[in-house]
Amino acid sequence: DIQMTQSPSTLSASVGDRVTITCRASQSISSWLAWYQQKPGKAPKLLIYDASSLESGVPSRFSGSGSGTEFTLTISSLQPDDFATYYCQQYDSYFTFGPGTKVDIK
Amino acid sequence: EVQLVESGGGLVQPGGSLRLSCAASGFTFSSYSMNWVRQAPGKGLEWVSYISSSSSTIYYADSVKGRFTISRDNAKNSLYLQMNSLRAEDTAVYYCARGGGLTETAYFDYWGQGTLVTVSS
Repeated sequence: DIQMTQSPSTLSASVGDRVTITCRASQSISSWLAWYQQKPGKAPKLLIYDASSLESGVPSRFSGSGSGTEFTLTISSLQPDDFATYYCQQYDSYFTFGPGTKVDIK
Repeated sequence: EVQLVESGGGLVQPGGSLRLSCAASGFTFSSYSMNWVRQAPGKGLEWVSYISSSSSTIYYADSVKGRFTISRDNAKNSLYLQMNSLRAEDTAVYYCARGGGLTETAYFDYWGQGTLVTVSS
C-alpha cells in the first residue's frame, strides 16, 4: 500500500503570507496527486489534480508542483478564506489521503 | 449543478447493519466512477470504497473488506453502501464523492455533504 505523509501538520501564518505544504508518497505515484481544502463541518473541496492542474473556479493563488514522490501545494498570498485543513491524496494505486495540514491564524 | 446527497446515517449498535444512499443529480451518473470516503470525529479522511461507472470494478479499503458492500443503480442515479458487522471504529461522517478524471481511478471532484454514522451501545 502507498503511504502519504504531509508536513507540517500545523502551520501558523498571516494574511498575505506565502504558504507551502509538502506531501510525500512512500513510492512513486507519477503525477497522480490531488490536493483538497476542508473547513470545519464541510465536505472537502478539490483544489489541484494531476499534481499541478488547477480545478475550475479555484483562485490562481493556489498552485501545485512535483512528481514521483515529492509534491508541494503553494498559496502565493494567504487570504482569510484560506484558513482550513489541506489534504493530499494519491490515486496511482487505489486511494490514500495524507494526514492533513491545518493552516491557522498566526 | 452537480449535487450529491447522502442519507441513511444514524445510531447503530456494534454488530449491526446500516445502508447508506447517495442521490446524484446534475450530471450523467452512469458515466462516472463513485466512491465512499469517511472521516472519524476530529480525524482525517479515509477512502472506503470505489465502484466504476458500470460496476465492473470494485475496490475496498482493508479496514472494511468483507463487511461493507458498495453498489450503484444507474437507472436511479444512486450509489449505496451496505455496512454490516459495524464496529465502534466505523463511527464517522461518510461522504460520497465522484471520480473526476478520464482514467478508471481518479481524483474526487464533487463531494456530498456527508451523513453521520455512530456505532455505539
